[in-house]
Amino acid sequence: SQTIHQWPATLVQPVGSPLSLECTVEGTSNPNLYWYRQAAGRGLQLLFYSVGIGQISSEVPQNLSASRPQDRQFILSSKKLLLSDSGFYLCAWTGINYGYTFGSGTRLTVV
Amino acid sequence: GESVGLHLPTLSVQEGDNSIINCAYSNSASDYFIWYKQESGKGPQFIIDIRSNMDKRQGQRVTVLLNKTVKHLSLQIAATQPGDSAVYFCAENIVKTGANNLFFGTGTRLTVIP
Repeated sequence: SQTIHQWPATLVQPVGSPLSLECTVEGTSNPNLYWYRQAAGRGLQLLFYSVGIGQISSEVPQNLSASRPQDRQFILSSKKLLLSDSGFYLCAWTGINYGYTFGSGTRLTVV
Repeated sequence: GESVGLHLPTLSVQEGDNSIINCAYSNSASDYFIWYKQESGKGPQFIIDIRSNMDKRQGQRVTVLLNKTVKHLSLQIAATQPGDSAVYFCAENIVKTGANNLFFGTGTRLTVIP
């Protein structure tokens, strides 16, 4: 069966520090991968999606970047975090029959 | 991103009553819609989905209605239980660059009163 792993679960980082959040999917190949962000009390905003290794599409301009070094690995990064980067970050994947599945999320607090 | 909005940000219902959560979407090209339930501190959980060639779909205690004429989606929960308390999001799927992309509404917080 397919599983999605996302870590860490919580993270507190100072302003200006770098960020790296990792997401991996098991049990499938060539998934579409997504990063979403959810601000407190708000809906989910699509940040990045990827249809294959090295292919990244960005939905909104921001202080973040994404990379897909391997088929089932999706990384969200920042060189210098801002206070406004705080939020709940969710990784998701879809297969051929839609079937969006979300990871458990990372709660990032920038202080 | 695309606009998917909800009419009511909060909804309180008595345990055992039926709940109806509404959602308006803006993109006529959306071909697929999903309702998610999100409990505090967790990722969204799939509840039910519907494709644009349907107007109704039923699951266990839940029904989704789609009215493409007015671009409206609703989630009906029968015999609401305390465990149904959560934030509910509708999402529309739009294909971009060969990928399915979900765009979410802002969510409705459902509170079930025992």
